[in-house]
Order: sequence, then structure tokens, then C-alpha cells
Amino acid sequence: EAQVTQNPRYLITVTGKKLTVTCSQNMNHEYMSWYRQDPGLGLRQIYYSMNVEVTDKGDVPEGYKVSRKEKRNFPLILESPSPNQTSLYFCASGQTGQPQHFGDGTRLSIL
Amino acid sequence: RKEVEQDPGPFNVPEGATVAFNCTYSNSASQSFFWYRQDCRKEPKLLMSVYSSGNEDGRFTAQLNRASQYISLLIRDSKLSDSATYLCVVNGWETGGFKTIFGAGTRLFVKA
Repeated sequence: EAQVTQNPRYLITVTGKKLTVTCSQNMNHEYMSWYRQDPGLGLRQIYYSMNVEVTDKGDVPEGYKVSRKEKRNFPLILESPSPNQTSLYFCASGQTGQPQHFGDGTRLSIL
Repeated sequence: RKEVEQDPGPFNVPEGATVAFNCTYSNSASQSFFWYRQDCRKEPKLLMSVYSSGNEDGRFTAQLNRASQYISLLIRDSKLSDSATYLCVVNGWETGGFKTIFGAGTRLFVKA
């Protein structure tokens, strides 16, 4: 079954404590991306990757890092989380630069 | 001006109605266009790609007008299960890289 798996699904943490949200896809897709969704603002792209070792900033990359060491994984790293990063996060993958499949989402609360 | 703008909604329609969603985009160099649906607290799901020639999938018809930078989605004979938020998505190469821009979405409520 085609899947994009995100972990954790929910996380409550404190300001400044580094965290990583993992994302894995089983479809051998070249393209992967991260979005955050906030009320009234819709989905905004954080980072994307066109292929292994190729990552680039989206519209709202500040405070986030990513890596793409292998095709299936695209973790999102918050080195020093702040309350304004409280949001619903989605990872997606696709074959040609289009987010075809999304993960179930990760709800982050930064206190 | 937002890069991708949609009708604010919500749309409240009875079962069986035909409903149309509109979307405009600002970047004339945009390359690909899509409609997604998102159920409450769920992930977006790809509904269909949009082409200048128009495309149809059952009760759903999507159309792209590049000259007007306008995208539409028509749902015929709407069902209760069509209730969701519909997202217009545009992507393509820009100065800053390859961007995927989501509209804010239009909420649809289909009533019995």
C-alpha cells in the first residue's frame, strides 16, 4: 500500500528543546516536501526536496532544517522550537514535483 | 495580493446540486495546477490535475484558463460525502525555486 508515514502524530514540548519529525515514503518518489497548516493561512511550504541530497527552501523555512540522505526519508528538524511553530505539519511525496500523497499529519504544540 | 486566491465560502448546498469553485493565481509562469480535497482534521488528498483542455472524472470537471489565470472545479449531483474543503494548488519554477502554493480553500457543506 502506498504510504507516507509521519511520526509522531502528536507532540507537546517546550521552547528550545530540539525535536525531529520523521517522514518516510514507500513509493520510491523523488519529490518530498513539508508544509505547515495554520487557521486562516492554509498550507504553506516549509522545505522541499527534488531528489536525494537536493533540498531547498519553501515559503516559510525559518526555524526549520531538513535532510535527504536517502530517497525514502525526509525528516523535519526544529533545532530550537518556539511557540510560533505550534502548528499542524504535513509531509508529502510525489514523482514529478507534485505532492501526490500526504502523511496523516503531526500536531505540534510548543509551550 | 495572494498568490492563489479562492472563493472564501462556505458553500451550503442541497444534495443533487451543482456547485462551482473558482481559483485565480498570480504567477503567469506557473506550470501545473491541481484540486485537492481536505476533510476536517485530515490530510489533503489529490482530487485531480487541471489541464487547459479540461478534464472530467465522473461528477467532477476541472478547467484551466491560462490567459485569465483562472482554474475552476465543477461538482455535479453533489453527495453528502462531497462535504469537505477544496484546495486549489499551483506549482512551478519561480525566482526562489520550485514553489507549490496552496489556496486557503473553500469549505463545502452538502445537506440532505
